[in-house]
Order: sequence, then C-alpha cells, then structure tokens
Amino acid sequence: EADIYQTPRYLVIGTGKKITLECSQTMGHDKMYWYQQDPGMELHLIHYSYGVNSTEKGDLSSESTVSRIRTEHFPLTLESARPSHTSQYLCASSENLGGTADTQYFGPGTRLTVL
Amino acid sequence: AQSVAQPEDQVNVAEGNPLTVKCTYSVSGNPYLFWYVQYPNRGLQFLLKYITGDNLVKGSYGFEAEFNKSQTSFHLKKPSALVSDSALYFCAVSPYTGFQKLVFGTGTRLLVSP
Repeated sequence: EADIYQTPRYLVIGTGKKITLECSQTMGHDKMYWYQQDPGMELHLIHYSYGVNSTEKGDLSSESTVSRIRTEHFPLTLESARPSHTSQYLCASSENLGGTADTQYFGPGTRLTVL
Repeated sequence: AQSVAQPEDQVNVAEGNPLTVKCTYSVSGNPYLFWYVQYPNRGLQFLLKYITGDNLVKGSYGFEAEFNKSQTSFHLKKPSALVSDSALYFCAVSPYTGFQKLVFGTGTRLLVSP
C-alpha cells in the first residue's frame, strides 16, 4: 500500500477564491504527478515533477500551478477558482527504479466543487 | 504518440464466472502496460504491469493480464469474479523512453452481480 496523502478530500468553495490542494508522500519518490479526472472518466496529466525545483506542464492545459520545494510535498494551487475547475484531482508519485516502467502510486484524490 | 483504447464502457458478469476487460494500445517501440482499479471516491490502485518477458502477468487480487504483441492487446482477466470486484478499471501505457507519462484509457466499469 502506497503512502501518499491528499488533503482536503472534499472541498466546496465559491468562485474567485484561491485554493491549494496538498499532496505528500513518504516513500522518497523523486517523480510526482497531478492528474485531473472528471467523474467516471479518464485521467489527464496536468503537471509533473522530476524532483525538487522541477515542474512541468502536462498534456492537458490547466490554469493551476504547482511547486516542488521538498521531495515529499507537491502542492497544486488555483489562484482564482471557477466552476470550470470543478473536478477530481489525483496526485501520484513513482518509484526510482529508472526508466519509464516505474509504477505510479496514487493518493485518494481531492474532489473540488466550485460554485 | 501513444494511446490506449478500452472498447467497452461497461462489462457485466455474474459472480463466479470468468471476466475479461479489454485493452488495446498504440505506441512506438516496446510498450510498458499497466492496469489500475478505482473504487468510488477513491484514487487508483495498481493491479499489475507488463514490462518484458512472460506474456501472462499476474497481479493483485487474483487478476492477471495477457500481453499480445501481434494484436497490440493487454486484456485483464480473472478466473472467478467477485461482487467486490465491481469498480472502474483503467488500462495505461507508458513510452519506452523519455519521461514516464502514463496515457490512460477511458476506463471500463465492471459490474459483478450476485
């Protein structure tokens, strides 16, 4: 079982608010990821990180930003939330065995609703 | 660019019967293939992956998957389904080189009836 945590699990906020979704892992993984998933649908990569001070945009354009100051922590921030940001956000990290066959381990997700 | 297709939105099976969830892929070079399961209001749980070697991969909870290079398929199977197997299943592919960016299929909902 992977040790990757996300808070909050559920968040309902009003339009225009700034929010930060937290993600932490205790496995010492260098690589971390954020995915966006609409209900019952496929996942889309929105951000990823090779390690500390490394962040990259994913395949799906997102208005969110991320930071990676510590290995174990990879928060995602929305400066001004809008109803179109309503979705489930999943954080993941992957082991450091090398190459592209590493298994990604997922957190429980944050379900965000913007009113 | 790599892609994954899960042709069935939903698979229905009776408890005790064998189940198959289909996945086909498209990728340049050799693929790394993964299966994940998602229960309601939960994140994804890793089931199994194919890297190289034996075409039959065994994973968690009695699941297995068969890699078929000629048909570019990686179908998930279980000999005897349980009601508790009811969930959303995702197939994913990773490129052979470069940074690992999993590309997921659209998911297949498995419903196992008592």
